[in-house]
Amino acid sequence: GQQLNQSPQSMFIQEGEDVSMNCTSSSIFNTWLWYKQDPGEGPVLLIALYKAGELTSNGRLTAQFGITRKDSFLNISASIPSDVGIYFCAGQLPEGTYKYIFGTGTRLKVLA
Amino acid sequence: DGGITQSPKYLFRKEGQNVTLSCEQNLNHDAMYWYRQDPGQGLRLIYYSQIVNDFQKGDIAEGYSVSREKKESFPLTVTSAQKNPTAFYLCASSQGIKNIQYFGAGTRLSVL
Repeated sequence: GQQLNQSPQSMFIQEGEDVSMNCTSSSIFNTWLWYKQDPGEGPVLLIALYKAGELTSNGRLTAQFGITRKDSFLNISASIPSDVGIYFCAGQLPEGTYKYIFGTGTRLKVLA
Repeated sequence: DGGITQSPKYLFRKEGQNVTLSCEQNLNHDAMYWYRQDPGQGLRLIYYSQIVNDFQKGDIAEGYSVSREKKESFPLTVTSAQKNPTAFYLCASSQGIKNIQYFGAGTRLSVL
């Protein structure tokens, strides 16, 4: 089946540093979503992207919908300790309105 | 507050036993979903329902069953046929053409 390759798998950064992560696929997507998940909790929606080339910000978070519609990027600026968690991307397939494919997650740890 | 409520938070299953996970939403969303989350993997779709009294199998439906008798409720039964049920189960709902999915807090199922 379709897969989303999310990288990096994990990263350790110092507080105040900027963070970048991305998702790539061989499939084209209509919508990209980025979520954050804390341990033992459900994912919380951070940003939604609806068209190729779109760049959207939510506070210190910025995400972009790739021009080819096969990738997306999430950047976090000036990281703080509460940014710790797992970040997931999800892509909506054109042929299945109700179907999303989820990435395997990027585990972020921030060192104070 | 509007949201998705999953219960219980933790559940233990004995061998050969069926168990049911509850998911209730007061967002007035038409569509509801069940996902399974295993360590290091993306979310995998078990079942989804676009409307009351209708549901479709996802990618890993074997050993699971659902019902959708009310708009706000979408319970998942993990049957004895599911030989590896230990996982974190997430319920989600969505509405409209954008189909942005919102998640509950999850249920962690373990086998005794």
